[in-house]
Amino acid sequence: GQQLNQSPQSMFIQEGEDVSMNCTSSSIFNTWLWYKQDPGEGPVLLIALYKAGELTSNGRLTAQFGITRKDSFLNISASIPSDVGIYFCAGQTPGGTSYGKLTFGQGTILTVHP
Amino acid sequence: KAGVTQTPRYLIKTRGQQVTLSCSPISGHRSVSWYQQTPGQGLQFLFEYFSETQRNKGNFPGRFSGRQFSNSRSEMNVSTLELGDSALYLCASSLSGGKDIQYFGAGTRLSVL
Repeated sequence: GQQLNQSPQSMFIQEGEDVSMNCTSSSIFNTWLWYKQDPGEGPVLLIALYKAGELTSNGRLTAQFGITRKDSFLNISASIPSDVGIYFCAGQTPGGTSYGKLTFGQGTILTVHP
Repeated sequence: KAGVTQTPRYLIKTRGQQVTLSCSPISGHRSVSWYQQTPGQGLQFLFEYFSETQRNKGNFPGRFSGRQFSNSRSEMNVSTLELGDSALYLCASSLSGGKDIQYFGAGTRLSVL
């Protein structure tokens, strides 16, 4: 089945530093999503990308949909302690046999030292 | 507007038993997807329901089943539990399951002893 390779697996950074993580796929996706999951909670959507080449920001977060539709990256600028958590990329190909199905990356565990 | 509600939050079962988990979607959402999250396999898609019909199914054995009611609430059932079924089970709702954003519940933590 489809696989998303997300890297890095974990990051340990100082407060104020910028963070970058990315996802690559062997298959094309029509939608790329970035979620954050805190302990004991479900994933919460951070950014949604719908068009190849699209660059979207949400506060300190910026994400891009790769032009090949097989990759995406997420940047977090000026990290703060509450950025701690697990970040997941997810791809979706709507319609047909992909109804309601998100394919997830393995996640990036982010630790921010004050 | 209330979010996605999953009950119960925690469950402990023994091998061979069966379990039913419940998911109430966001009001107005008609699509419900279920996922299994484990440390080894990550987040894996189980199935999706829309208007009481299963439209999509992941690669899980037949012991995993689900249904959706006319009010869009959904349940998933796991029969003959195995140790490897221990996981966080997440449901997500969206308007129609196409390009709509999926909103996740907090999950049900199932431990099989």
